[in-house]
Amino acid sequence: EAQVTQNPRYLITVTGKKLTVTCSQNMNHEYMSWYRQDPGLGLRQIYYSMNVEVTDKGDVPEGYKVSRKEKRNFPLILESPSPNQTSLYFCASRGLRNEQFFGPGTRLTVL
Amino acid sequence: DAKTTQPNSMESNEEEPVHLPCNHSTISGTDYIHWYRQLPSQGPEYVIHGLTSNVNNRMASLAIAEDRKSSTLILHRATLRDAAVYYCILPSGSARQLTFGSGTQLTVLP
Repeated sequence: EAQVTQNPRYLITVTGKKLTVTCSQNMNHEYMSWYRQDPGLGLRQIYYSMNVEVTDKGDVPEGYKVSRKEKRNFPLILESPSPNQTSLYFCASRGLRNEQFFGPGTRLTVL
Repeated sequence: DAKTTQPNSMESNEEEPVHLPCNHSTISGTDYIHWYRQLPSQGPEYVIHGLTSNVNNRMASLAIAEDRKSSTLILHRATLRDAAVYYCILPSGSARQLTFGSGTQLTVLP
């Protein structure tokens, strides 16, 4: 089944403790991206990647890092999480017809 | 970048057609019109997209005005499972990124 998977689905952590949210897709898509969703602010893009080793900032990249060492994986890294990064995070990949496939989401709470 | 305008909310009765409007008066000639929806507690889901001609797929139909300044997403028979926030988006930027607005909250009444 074609899908985008994210792990973990839920995470509670403390300020400053480095964490990684993994994202993987099995559709051989070149383009992948990360979004965060907050009440009243909607979905905002954090980072995107056009292909392996090619990444670029989205609208809200501060406090986040990404890497794209292989086509299927696009992890989101929070080196020193802060409470304002408490949010719902979605990973997505884009198909040949420019339709995006979203993962199920990761709900992150930073205390 | 071209912006889209959608009503904040709409209601429909179950098994009736639903027409969700979107205005995009500043659309450029190469902008595609994409629709996504987000069901409660789920990630966004691609619905349909088009450029100039009306489009149909198993989920919905997309009617695009002749001047392309507006479009309508048509759900032919709404079900309770269609209750969601529907986003009309014009992918933009060199990477054709999606910029989500506030969308239309569709409520389907039994």
